Amino acid sequence: EIVLTQSPATLSLSPGERATLSCRASQSLYNSLAWHQQKPGQAPRLLIYDASKRATGIPARFSGSGSGTDYTLTISSLEPEDFAVYYCQQRSNWLITFGQGTRLEIK
Amino acid sequence: QLQLQESGPGLVKPSETLSLTCTVSGGSITSSTYYWGWIRQPPGQGLEWIGCIYYGDTTYYNPSLKSRVTISVDTSKNQFSLRLTSVTAADTAVYYCALRPLFGNYVDVWGKGTTVTVSS
Repeated sequence: EIVLTQSPATLSLSPGERATLSCRASQSLYNSLAWHQQKPGQAPRLLIYDASKRATGIPARFSGSGSGTDYTLTISSLEPEDFAVYYCQQRSNWLITFGQGTRLEIK
Repeated sequence: QLQLQESGPGLVKPSETLSLTCTVSGGSITSSTYYWGWIRQPPGQGLEWIGCIYYGDTTYYNPSLKSRVTISVDTSKNQFSLRLTSVTAADTAVYYCALRPLFGNYVDVWGKGTTVTVSS
């Protein structure tokens, strides 16, 4: 089973700042990594797939990068609605796993 | 656009069977372009993939739950279902139905989720 480790666990920033969230895998993912955003009381929603492709309707301030075992989600300029929990996700051998999440909170 | 909606009892007794249904709208459950699956989230915790079904009869389950899980499809109702047997308090969670594209490695669409509490 591939384990995903996200850092930091909590990130405190102000609106307008740049956010950088990390996800490290225990094995190479060959760019098969997705990012999901979850707001309180809501279901997650897909932001990024295949490491760097934005899902339909996702604003351009969200971008994904990385390769091998290390991946990054960047939010270029935080909007008030971006404060949420972010999960990375991968699939291998029919098993989907998620990272433990990074909570992005208002400073 | 495909939409998913979970339904089922919100309270299940310990040792009994949890049964949930996901109704698909905006598309057909018989589509060969998606895997239809379930994911859960215990209170205050992260996400755990339970399993999925493809083309009505091919199933894949999380090894940690495999002995207790069954996912099936009802094409007449455009629904798919989850059964989890011998539940304990550890199965208390928000349960989401979700889909993954056939040629994608990502969860693409999520249902809104339904809360299931295991308690006597």
